[in-house]
Amino acid sequence: SQQGEEDPQALSIQEGENATMNCSYKTSINNLQWYRQNSGRGLVHLILIRSNEREKHSGRLRVTLDTSKKSSSLLITASRAADTASYFCATEGSGANSKLTFGKGITLSVRP
Amino acid sequence: GAGVSQSPSNKVTEKGKDVELRCDPISGHTALYWYRQRLGQGLEFLIYFQGNSAPDKSGLPSDRFSAERTGESVSTLTIQRTQQEDSAVYLCASSLGPGVQETQYFGPGTRLLVL
Repeated sequence: SQQGEEDPQALSIQEGENATMNCSYKTSINNLQWYRQNSGRGLVHLILIRSNEREKHSGRLRVTLDTSKKSSSLLITASRAADTASYFCATEGSGANSKLTFGKGITLSVRP
Repeated sequence: GAGVSQSPSNKVTEKGKDVELRCDPISGHTALYWYRQRLGQGLEFLIYFQGNSAPDKSGLPSDRFSAERTGESVSTLTIQRTQQEDSAVYLCASSLGPGVQETQYFGPGTRLLVL
């Protein structure tokens, strides 16, 4: 079963706008990670936020984590056409197993 | 250094045939993961290696699927008697270790099409 569920499923914005993507999960986690996948290619790790962190920044990316609501958001500011891709959240469970569980992904289209 | 590589990049096979998919992890990465991604879906965990051992095989969908890793390096995922539902992209990832908070680095995947 998939732990992370992203929403929306698809997002289309104009270049320069901000894109906000959300992820909800069900069980306790050690960390939550966001990945990007360009069409037909492997996944690229974007950012990891630990369960004891609330917010993290990396360049134009901002990730928040609310463990009480079991949710995370990924904000991409000043979007570019090159940000067009699928974005996945993945959670690492709090058990001994370090398996990552991925959501189905969000398709982001940034119009030039 | 070089990233994770996978071969072949594409594989078309006939139903009932066996296929072998190869993954070369980043040198020095002790943990290796296999995932399956069906069209338009997220990633399904298949199996995880720590060194040459597989402590978690829970994601293998049936006994037609097996994997091995040798030399704490290359891994091979074998699918026997392929079925059409096996068609997917098979992704391999490696990380420095199995501990929490280790970033996984993904290969480009192998696209498998079973006719």
